[in-house]
Amino acid sequence: DSGVTQTPKHLITATGQRVTLRCSPRSGDLSVYWYQQSLDQGLQFLIQYYNGEERAKGNILERFSAQQFPDLHSELNLSSLELGDSALYFCASSGHSGNTIYFGEGSWLTVV
Amino acid sequence: GQNIDQPTEMTATEGAIVQINCTYQTSGFNGLFWYQQHAGEAPTFLSYNVLDGLEEKGRFSSFLSRSKGYSYLLLKELQMKDSASYLCATHDDSWGKLQFGAGTQVVVTP
Repeated sequence: DSGVTQTPKHLITATGQRVTLRCSPRSGDLSVYWYQQSLDQGLQFLIQYYNGEERAKGNILERFSAQQFPDLHSELNLSSLELGDSALYFCASSGHSGNTIYFGEGSWLTVV
Repeated sequence: GQNIDQPTEMTATEGAIVQINCTYQTSGFNGLFWYQQHAGEAPTFLSYNVLDGLEEKGRFSSFLSRSKGYSYLLLKELQMKDSASYLCATHDDSWGKLQFGAGTQVVVTP
């Protein structure tokens, strides 16, 4: 158990819909990272937050947004969903030093 | 930007040793990570190198040469459960983006 908690574990939704994925980082970790992993694809960096502020941005679509709340949990919002958005979405967290980054179990999103 | 290269697949026999190489080109560098990922599961942290040299942790060792933009992960005494994808990742200067390579699928045969 990495200590990073993600919900929901599985989600099936229709095209055009909107979903929210939730992540609770390890206790004390200030950084949260979001990644997308499609079938047979590598981990694609989406976005990072540090203590509530956006720190780095990757190939995140405009239909996607994220935020980190004062209690340090983070949410990834995916809207106007398309079939191609079906993927495993991982959240990871790290402390200030950044030398240990642990991943949650992921949220499986299926868009039908 | 960052560019990370690692072999797509490697096959080795149970009990053997396998070395997975990773080369990278980054605009900023603040450390290199190795992760293990079984299909459909979360990546599991294996090692972190920021200084040149070898870090040993049980059956796994990781090496880094910053001047050459090169790292390797050494897996010794291979077990069937080591069959997985091994991901090399670099951390940029601002402790921000953690960029992953495509992963090396290691297949351990009896």
